[in-house]
Amino acid sequence: DIVLTQSPTTLSVTPGETVSLSCRASHSIGTNLHWYQQKTIESPRLLIKSASQSISGIPSRFSASGSGTDFTLNINNVEFDDVSSYFCQQTQSWPRTFGGGTKLELK
Amino acid sequence: VQLVESGGGLVQPGKSLKLSCSASGFTFSNYGMHWIRQAPGKGLDWVAYIGSGSGTVYADAVKGRFTISRDNAKNTLYLQLNSLKSEDTAIYYCARGDWYFDFWGPGTMVTVSS
Repeated sequence: DIVLTQSPTTLSVTPGETVSLSCRASHSIGTNLHWYQQKTIESPRLLIKSASQSISGIPSRFSASGSGTDFTLNINNVEFDDVSSYFCQQTQSWPRTFGGGTKLELK
Repeated sequence: VQLVESGGGLVQPGKSLKLSCSASGFTFSNYGMHWIRQAPGKGLDWVAYIGSGSGTVYADAVKGRFTISRDNAKNTLYLQLNSLKSEDTAIYYCARGDWYFDFWGPGTMVTVSS
C-alpha cells in the first residue's frame, strides 16, 4: 500500500499568513494526488485534483504543486473560514489511501 | 449533484447492516462510486469502490465482510456490512468519482457496540 505522510499534524497560524502543508508518498505516484478540506462536522470537499489542478468554486488562495513523492498545498492569506483539516489522497494504485491530515488552527 | 446516505445506526458486534446512498443531479450509471469511512476523531479510511461497469475493489480490512453494489435504475449505491466489529464504528460517506472524489454525501453513522 502507498503510505501518505502529512506534516505538520497541526498548524497554528495568524490570519493573513501564507502556509504550506506537506504530503509525502512512500512510492512515486506521479501527479495522482488530490487534496480535500474538511471542516468540523462536515463531509470533505475536493480542493485540488491531480496535484495542482484547481477546482471550480474553490478560492484562488488555495494552490498546490508537486509530483512523484513530494507534494505541497499552499494557502495564501489564510482566513478564519480556512480552519479545517486538510487531507491528501492518492489514486496511483489500490487501495486508495489518505494521509493522516493536517489540522489548521488560527492563533 | 446530491448524495444522501442512510441506514446507519447502533448494531451489536457480529451483526449486519445495509447502507444506502441515494444519488441525484447527475447520470449515476456513468460514474464509479466509493464508500469512505471516518472513525470518531480520526482520519479518512477508504472502504470500497464500484465502477460504472460494476467491477469492485475493497480495502483489506473489510474484504469478505462488506459488499458494495449499485442499482442504476434506482440511482442508489449500497454497502452491505456483515460480521461487524467495534473497529467498524465510523461515519460512512459515499463519494462520486473514478479517480478523485468530487462530491461527497453528509455521511451516516454506524456504531458497533454491545
